[in-house]
Amino acid sequence: DTGVSQDPRHKITKRGQNVTFRCDPISEHNRLYWYRQTLGQGPEFLTYFQNEAQLEKSRLLSDRFSAERPKGSFSTLEIQRTEQGDSAMYLCAGRGSGNYDGELFFGEGSRLTVL
Amino acid sequence: ELKVEQNPLFLSMQEGKNYTIYCNYSTTSDRLYWYRQDPGKSLESLFVLLSNGAVKQEGRLMASLDTKARLSTLHITAAVHDLSATYFCAVPEYGNKLVFGAGTILRVKS
Repeated sequence: DTGVSQDPRHKITKRGQNVTFRCDPISEHNRLYWYRQTLGQGPEFLTYFQNEAQLEKSRLLSDRFSAERPKGSFSTLEIQRTEQGDSAMYLCAGRGSGNYDGELFFGEGSRLTVL
Repeated sequence: ELKVEQNPLFLSMQEGKNYTIYCNYSTTSDRLYWYRQDPGKSLESLFVLLSNGAVKQEGRLMASLDTKARLSTLHITAAVHDLSATYFCAVPEYGNKLVFGAGTILRVKS
């Protein structure tokens, strides 16, 4: 158990609806990452935060996607006007400030199905 | 842009056999990570390799890193069914995010 929890674990929605995923890392994780993984592929980087600051966003993160980490603790990833191509597993990972080896600790993921 | 390539992408092994998964990457890095993923599950950290020549072993798995060749190997010894999973290597880009390979699906047959 990495201590990183994600909610919901599964979400089925209709095209055009908005969805929001939440990630709760452990308190030691000052860095928080979001990745997306589609079937048969490796995880693809979306964005990351150091404390509450969003320091990098991938070009994969279109303007329909927004992520926040308001108090440097939990984070949310919102997808507006979902499309079928958004169907994927959304993974959150934490990294501690004292973790100089750069290892990421992943949560169980939130699986999105867009109908 | 950093590229991480794994091969093979699919590996079907008999129990008791040995095999090696390869991970090549395109830009300089002195560290590399291996993760395991079971179907429908998240990623579990296996090995953290932090320098050239680093070798780590856990049970039937052994990972090594050659930073000059930009190559890491994951060697499986005397495979057992429980090792069936997808294995990913990942390399840090700009010291921040990890870039993952496409994964190697390992199936161990009895």
